[in-house]
Amino acid sequence: QVQLQQWGAGLLKPSETLSLTCGIYAGPFSGYYWSWIRQPPGKGLEWIGEINQGGITNYNPSLKSRVTISADTSKNQFSLRLTSVTAADTAVYYCAREHPGPNFYYFYIDVWGRGTTVTVSS
Amino acid sequence: EIVMTQSPATLSVSPGERATLSCRASQSVSSNLAWYQQRPGQTPRLLISSASTRATGIPARFSGSGSGTEFTLTISSLQSEDFAIYYCQQYNNWPKTFGQGTKVEIK
Repeated sequence: QVQLQQWGAGLLKPSETLSLTCGIYAGPFSGYYWSWIRQPPGKGLEWIGEINQGGITNYNPSLKSRVTISADTSKNQFSLRLTSVTAADTAVYYCAREHPGPNFYYFYIDVWGRGTTVTVSS
Repeated sequence: EIVMTQSPATLSVSPGERATLSCRASQSVSSNLAWYQQRPGQTPRLLISSASTRATGIPARFSGSGSGTEFTLTISSLQSEDFAIYYCQQYNNWPKTFGQGTKVEIK
């Protein structure tokens, strides 16, 4: 059963860059999209963006100017980079696998990482 | 951006009773709708994809229905472990947006 393990810095200062990596264990990289989602304290879920094996990315326009999602398929990993963070970026960040639906065109989240708490504070 | 609106925000239900949660999309998302459960302090868990397909290992008391803009998640007989927050998400269009969640609490 595939597992996602994520790591990265949990405490940042304003204007710094958030960097998280998610490792994929017991499962292939190909055939799925791989995404990042975040959840501010006490709030709901926000989809950040996704990447597939071919390097195709899709981002949330609300974050697009600051976000980069990249992948290293040789290591079965993908990463999130968010620049110029502020207190509003304080959240639990989840990596996730997106599984193809019946028509293999639309992808939904079926596996979640455990989450990394990222706090932005001066 | 497609806006997903869930109702009610909070649902108070007694154990053993039926719970009906609603999710409305601001435009059609076909059947590309998923439901997730998030227990306190835990990671979200997939319950339903394609509006009505239960994920592996999800009990039959969970069922989903709807298409287009109106969707429903029904929990036929609430168990203690079902008290949680439930989110819908559309994956028909980018960005893939979530509803704000419905909290199911013990009455």
